Amino acid sequence: QLQLQESGPGLVKPSETLSLTCTVSGASISSSSYYWGWIRQPPGKGLEWIGSIYYDGSSYYNPSLKSRVSISIDTSKNQFSLKLSSVTAADTAVYYCARHSEHSMFDYWGQGSLVTVSS
Amino acid sequence: QTVVTQEPSFSVSPGGTVTLTCGLSSGSVSTSYYPSWYQQTPGQAPRTLMYNTDTRSSGVPDRFSGSILGNKAALTITGAQADDESDYYCVLYMGSGISVFGGGTKLTVL
Repeated sequence: QLQLQESGPGLVKPSETLSLTCTVSGASISSSSYYWGWIRQPPGKGLEWIGSIYYDGSSYYNPSLKSRVSISIDTSKNQFSLKLSSVTAADTAVYYCARHSEHSMFDYWGQGSLVTVSS
Repeated sequence: QTVVTQEPSFSVSPGGTVTLTCGLSSGSVSTSYYPSWYQQTPGQAPRTLMYNTDTRSSGVPDRFSGSILGNKAALTITGAQADDESDYYCVLYMGSGISVFGGGTKLTVL
């Protein structure tokens, strides 16, 4: 059974960089059939796609976040990671990692990780 | 930037039928956007209901159906049950690796 688990600091200071890692178990992240993405949800608000990465390192980002986002993949550890720079309180959210198809069918999700931006 | 639109809220009676829609701020939704639908209850990760417009995800009851209605994607729930009370999100594939979530619809069953 495929499982995804987010990990990283739950508290980040304003202007610093938010870093999260998603560990995948039960399947290889090197599968050519799937993409690996990050989605976030501010408290009480909707879901927002942040970006995704393919096993070969090709990455795709939400245009509204592109200047601050970097997603990387480590196939040897079956992990992929998110970095979001220059964070503000508006970046406070539950961050989910997920697997999806080429055409944006998100089929497996992590449980989510709450990241609060505060001094 | 393209905005994906959904009704902010909807209400349905138990046993009733409701259709939630997913549109574009500019243009029409077609199967080429591969619309998918997700159900989310408070504190939980989203659950996949529908993908490629009208394909039900594994384990999703057949009272959930997907379609294109006019210029929007649609999710229809037939015979609504109390545990269908959730937030529903659509996602559209915009091409070039870009996914866009709709703002979500809060469905109340009462």
